[in-house]
Formats: sequence, structure tokens, C-alpha cells
Amino acid sequence: EIVLTQSPGTLSLSPGERATLSCRASQSVSSSYLAWYQRKPGQAPRLLIYDASSRATGIPDRFSGSGSETDFTLTISRLEPEDFAVYYCQQYGSSLTFGGGTKVDIK
Amino acid sequence: QVQLVESGGGVVQPGRSLRLSCAASGFTFRSYGMHWVRQAPGKGLEWVTFISYDGTNKHYADSVKGRFTVSRDNSKNTLYLQMNSLRSEDTAVYSCARDPTLWGYDSNYFDYWGQGTLVTVSS
Repeated sequence: EIVLTQSPGTLSLSPGERATLSCRASQSVSSSYLAWYQRKPGQAPRLLIYDASSRATGIPDRFSGSGSETDFTLTISRLEPEDFAVYYCQQYGSSLTFGGGTKVDIK
Repeated sequence: QVQLVESGGGVVQPGRSLRLSCAASGFTFRSYGMHWVRQAPGKGLEWVTFISYDGTNKHYADSVKGRFTVSRDNSKNTLYLQMNSLRSEDTAVYSCARDPTLWGYDSNYFDYWGQGTLVTVSS
């Protein structure tokens, strides 16, 4: 099973700042089959990025994904108030597993 | 718009069974694979199972294999999860989610999710 480790566990930032979230895989993720989701309390998760760097429909361009093999990054270029949430990565190259999540909260 | 609404959760004793349902609308249900994903209290997300658009291909997480069965009724636009031999560690919010691949046989990621239904396994 591919284990995904997200860091940091919590990221405390101010609106307008840049957020960089990391997702590290225990082995190479084939074909960069990695997705990112945003989850807010009481809401269903929202797909942000798939195939490591493709933005899902309707996702603002301040969200970007990058990386390959074992190291992946989600970047939010300038945090908006609605971006404070928990973010999960998920790989689908070998079965399906999620990372433990990174909480982005207001500093 | 795509809507996924889960039902059937509740409190159940260890060793007993429960069946969850997921009613889909706003898209051609019979054309998409579907998943169940769960989140235990205070924990992260865990993928549970996938069923292909036509019900012929199914995958399960090791943690539920042999106990849970996924099925679908395309005439009713409904996904099911039959959970048997429930354990305390199955306590979680269970959500159904759509796989984005049209006519897909294999599991990928999730483009739409429901809000979930809570299953509590406790004596």
C-alpha cells in the first residue's frame, strides 16, 4: 500500500499569503495519479487537482499542483478567506489511499 | 447539478449488519463508476470500495474485504453498501462519491461527493 504523508499538519497563515502544502508518497505514484481535495466543516470534499497538476472544473487559478513520483505540492498563490480549510491528497496509481490532511488556518 | 444523498446510517451493535444507500441525481448515473469513502471521528479519509458503471467490476479496501458488499441499481439511480459483521472500528461517516471516468471500469479519484451518513458501531 502506498502511504501518503502530508506536511505540515497545520499551516497558520494570513489572507493574501502563499500556502505550500506537501504530500510525500512511500513509493512512486505511477503516472502522477494524485489528486487534492479541500474540505470545510459540514461540507463534502471538493476536488481541486487531479493527475497531479490539472485543475478541476471551476477551481480558481490561485490553486496549482505540481510534482511527480514521490513528492507532490499543492500551492495556493494568495489565500482568500474561503480557502481556510483542511486539504487532503489522494493517490490512485495503486489502489486508493489518502494522506492525513493539512489544516490551513488563519494566523 | 450533481447530487448524492446518503441514507441508512445509525447505531448498530458489533457483529450486526447495516445497509447504506446513496441516491444520485443530476447526471447519468449508469455511466459512471461510484465509490464509498469513510471518515472515522477525528481521523482522515479512507477509501472503502468502488463499483464500475455496470456493476461488473468491484474493488474493496483490505479492511472491509469479505464483510462489505457494494452494489448498484441503475434503474433506480441508487448505490448501496451492505455492511456485515460490523466492528467498532467501522464507526465513521460514510460518503458516496462519483468517479469521473465515463464508462470507467477502474477506480480513480472523486469528482463529486455526498455529505455522508453516520454509522456508529457500539454495544
